[in-house]
Amino acid sequence: EAGVAQSPRYKIIEKRQSVAFWCNPISGHATLYWYQQILGQGPKLLIQFQNNGVVDDSQLPKDRFSAERLKGVDSTLKIQPAKLEDSAVYLCASSSPGAFREQFFGPGTRLTVL
Amino acid sequence: KNEVEQSPQNLTAQEGEFITINCSYSVGISALHWLQQHPGGGIVSLFMLSSGKKKHGRLIATINIQEKHSSLHITASHPRDSAVYICAVKAGGGADGLTFGKGTHLIIQP
Repeated sequence: EAGVAQSPRYKIIEKRQSVAFWCNPISGHATLYWYQQILGQGPKLLIQFQNNGVVDDSQLPKDRFSAERLKGVDSTLKIQPAKLEDSAVYLCASSSPGAFREQFFGPGTRLTVL
Repeated sequence: KNEVEQSPQNLTAQEGEFITINCSYSVGISALHWLQQHPGGGIVSLFMLSSGKKKHGRLIATINIQEKHSSLHITASHPRDSAVYICAVKAGGGADGLTFGKGTHLIIQP
């Protein structure tokens, strides 16, 4: 079974530029999560999708961050415009169906904003 | 909002030692995860617990729901166990994104 795929693995941009990250979850996983992990900290949930609907985006900075999952499969997270404090690893995860819904994580995208 | 605290933040031990990492949380949960993260690597789920104890190889995870506390133990530690170990909790309900601790940076010296 293929794992959660993310691209790119690394991205370096200048502040005020735009950037987009892509995630393809494990086949059959209806729930998809985007997390932000700043160096030295634990990940923080940005947004959770159930199929193509948003379940929780309470911690997503909506003035600059947006995410979509139009067909309920892969997802894109965008930052526009980027700030220095957005430098982090962006992790995508998907969870299996069932009561406990264990989460499986992708390798992450490391973003550096200069 | 759930607060997740891990201790210690950093731990250096000698190969073969018994390792314990602790996690406490402030609000009732539906499940608790122990995750492993290697430098530059993604996150791997080690355990998901809702009660009691689980064992996988040299790793043991326990949870006490009443005390809102969980521990991760590593027996016969090995340098390849060196990683960041993260505790994360999931509240009940439909919005089940995880709330993470800051992680415990473990180094096992040969």
